[in-house]
Amino acid sequence: DTAVSQTPKYLVTQMGNDKSIKCEQNLGHDTMYWYKQDSKKFLKIMFSYNNKELIINETVPNRFSPKSPDKAHLNLHINSLELGDSAVYFCASSQERTSLNTGELFFGEGSRLTVL
Amino acid sequence: AQSVTQPDIHITVSEGASLELRCNYSYGATPYLFWYVQSPGQGLQLLLKYFSGDTLVQGIKGFEAEFKRSQSSFNLRKPSVHWSDAAEYFCVTGTASKLTFGTGTRLQVTL
Repeated sequence: DTAVSQTPKYLVTQMGNDKSIKCEQNLGHDTMYWYKQDSKKFLKIMFSYNNKELIINETVPNRFSPKSPDKAHLNLHINSLELGDSAVYFCASSQERTSLNTGELFFGEGSRLTVL
Repeated sequence: AQSVTQPDIHITVSEGASLELRCNYSYGATPYLFWYVQSPGQGLQLLLKYFSGDTLVQGIKGFEAEFKRSQSSFNLRKPSVHWSDAAEYFCVTGTASKLTFGTGTRLQVTL
């Protein structure tokens, strides 16, 4: 069983479209995250939810809207896609609200978004 | 703000050779430090972590890292590299609520 699963794995779309990436974790964790990895492999946190509550919201355009229907799911919806949104988006989860308690994030395999 | 620097973008080693990946941190107090590995097409996996205490930390897959306050470093080492170790390695530091990743070092292993 995959611990953190993301769908779709690949997504190619046109500028201006709206798309969603889904994430589910079966680890029973309370906290979930979205990270963006750019073409230079730089990883940056976008959002974090703890028990469906938003706890981290980095400087991200409001075209990006996370939604957490329950603590096992954290979806990412992106409106009006732009070329610069092309990246790999990683979902992750951790057992504690602050990842430092164990220091371990469990990552999904990533969703590669290409905007044409 | 806390940050980590990985000075080497790309490193190539022969299988069986020893490995050291460099990481320098900037933070006044004792930082929380981690190493994560990203295999091709995969998500990231925690190799090891340092919070306090013993400055030599053992991790999974035969990796270890040493925290050196005098050098502001947390270098990752492995005595004998295997071809399957080829991957991207990230040094990471943490604050109360989030992790900050370095820019990564790509390890290539030649047979």
